[in-house]
Amino acid sequence: EDQVTQSPEALRLQEGESSSLNCSYTVSGLRGLFWYRQDPGKGPEFLFTLYSAGEEKEKERLKATLTKKESFLHITAPKPEDSATYLCAVRENEKLTFGTGTRLTIIP
Amino acid sequence: SQTIHQWPATLVQPVGSPLSLECTVEGTSNPNLYWYRQAAGRGLQLLFYSVGIGQISSEVPQNLSASRPQDRQFILSSKKLLLSDSGFYLCAWTAVGNTIYFGEGSWLTVV
Repeated sequence: EDQVTQSPEALRLQEGESSSLNCSYTVSGLRGLFWYRQDPGKGPEFLFTLYSAGEEKEKERLKATLTKKESFLHITAPKPEDSATYLCAVRENEKLTFGTGTRLTIIP
Repeated sequence: SQTIHQWPATLVQPVGSPLSLECTVEGTSNPNLYWYRQAAGRGLQLLFYSVGIGQISSEVPQNLSASRPQDRQFILSSKKLLLSDSGFYLCAWTAVGNTIYFGEGSWLTVV
């Protein structure tokens, strides 16, 4: 059975303090690893898709990387507006399996 | 461009009452459609997905059901709600092989 584990569950950073979120996964046939951002009371917003080990994607202050067993979401010099829950998901066949997310708080 | 609409946004229903949540996608044809539920403090749980009209796959046995009467319409239903059905329900879509996009969600409180 697919498993997706995200750590830490919650992370508080000062504005400008860079850090990384982790997503480890076990899946037999990966068809993509996805990162989403979710604001309170809203649906998840798509950020990145990674397909193969070594692949990297960037968007503003976010950079996602992928290995054969885990993915990292690096946040560089975050701002308060980056506060949200970040969800990782893996796709096998037609389904996405999600982790429970990392709740990120950026303190001004 | 493609858009997804989900309604109602919020509802409060008594235990034992019926439920109908609707979702439509615009700007694409033959999408895969999904219903997820997110309980407080927990991850997204896949409830149903559909790869075509009338084709529904159930992931979790429960008192919910789903139907796809038209290509871009997906409906989540229940005949009798339980307290445990409370949560945040999300409809999502994807073209085959591509990214899954989510609607804004429906908050259901069963009282």
